[in-house]
Amino acid sequence: AAGVIQSPRHLIKEKRETATLKCYPIPRHDTVYWYQQGPGQDPQFLISFYEKMQSDKGSIPDRFSAQQFSDYHSELNMSSLELGDSALYFCASSLERGRNSGQPQHFGDGTRLSIL
Amino acid sequence: SQQGEEDPQALSIQEGENATMNCSYKTSINNLQWYRQNSGRGLVHLILIRSNEREKHSGRLRVTLDTSKKSSSLLITASRAADTASYFCVRYGQNFVFGPGTRLSVLP
Repeated sequence: AAGVIQSPRHLIKEKRETATLKCYPIPRHDTVYWYQQGPGQDPQFLISFYEKMQSDKGSIPDRFSAQQFSDYHSELNMSSLELGDSALYFCASSLERGRNSGQPQHFGDGTRLSIL
Repeated sequence: SQQGEEDPQALSIQEGENATMNCSYKTSINNLQWYRQNSGRGLVHLILIRSNEREKHSGRLRVTLDTSKKSSSLLITASRAADTASYFCVRYGQNFVFGPGTRLSVLP
């Protein structure tokens, strides 16, 4: 069965650069979530989209933005990167059939972002 | 804090033993979900229990929910070395909130 695909798997950037992470949800899933997990930390919710509209916002810095496209894939855009942005970034998708219905999420394997 | 709180934060047991992890929360929920994360990998959904349910089973997993005490527990019976992972209680009210996680080590 198709899973959530994230690209790239690894990304190395320098301070003040920009980065774009991509997420391809499971086919027919209507909701995408983004999480950040720092080294030894628990996942922190960043932002979610339902049917291409932002449905919830967590601890996403103003330097980050995200969107979900017409084909349901999502991109997380990160600017003015800081050392503290080094983390594993996960995307998850679910089939909500209604905004914020709390269905189980299916996670990708993440993008490991390292800031030098 | 609206976070779910889990205890213990770390648990080490021998293969074959049972592992119990607890989760508490502070606000009302629609459902509570448990996820497993192997080191450096994505989370895997284990089980979902709705607010009107008290107990749910899935294979070697048993989850209980006590909404009056705002707590849940995950029991893994007859543990295996492959169960070694971090386990997260995720409560869903108006949004998803991840707990601090329990790091389970099952020793062969």
